[in-house]
Amino acid sequence: QVQLKESGPGLVQPSQTLSLTCTVSGFSLTSYNVHWVRQPPGKGLEWMEKLTYNGDTSYNSALKSRLSISRDTSKNQVFLKMNSLQTDDTGTYYCTRDWEIWGQGVMVTVSS
Amino acid sequence: DIVMTQTPLSLSVAIGQSASISCKSSQSLKYSDGKTYLNWVFQSPGQSPKRLIYQVSKLDSGVPDRFSGTGSETDFTLKISRVEAEDLGVYYCCQGSYSPYTFGAGTKLELK
Repeated sequence: QVQLKESGPGLVQPSQTLSLTCTVSGFSLTSYNVHWVRQPPGKGLEWMEKLTYNGDTSYNSALKSRLSISRDTSKNQVFLKMNSLQTDDTGTYYCTRDWEIWGQGVMVTVSS
Repeated sequence: DIVMTQTPLSLSVAIGQSASISCKSSQSLKYSDGKTYLNWVFQSPGQSPKRLIYQVSKLDSGVPDRFSGTGSETDFTLKISRVEAEDLGVYYCCQGSYSPYTFGAGTKLELK
């Protein structure tokens, strides 16, 4: 069964770095693309970054300077790192396999 | 970046009625491989997003045929015939043709 599951800290302090993990099962990261998408409370979806099956990356223009995406294929995990967090980075963060299969999301609150 | 403009942002329908949502992109979504990577994604309250339609008109597995997608180049439409209670929530169009990928603002389908 194809699944994605996000994990990470629920609370991050302003100016700190957010690290999230997307653990996948039922498919290989070397065969499918994985994206990170976020959603501020009560607002719409925002695409953040993509890691292709062959390891290429692409990023949201506005977030590019703060973001990175990587993976560990042996652990079936994709990682998001975003630095210099601010309160408007608060929201639910999802990983998705090519928009088709989505994780349950992880809520991140940026607050001191 | 490609801007995705959805209309209306809110839609009230009675159960059994039909609904139509428009999505316009600021440039053609036809990719160099000849395909158009326009998705429709649905999010019911408190749930993760779910893709309904990909490549303009192809229904994901398990999506009822009450849903249909049409369009080309820059103009796209999602139609729901015979709306059911489970269809209430927010619909997003999402372009996956050109990075950075982008979502529309979302259309909230509510009960009249």
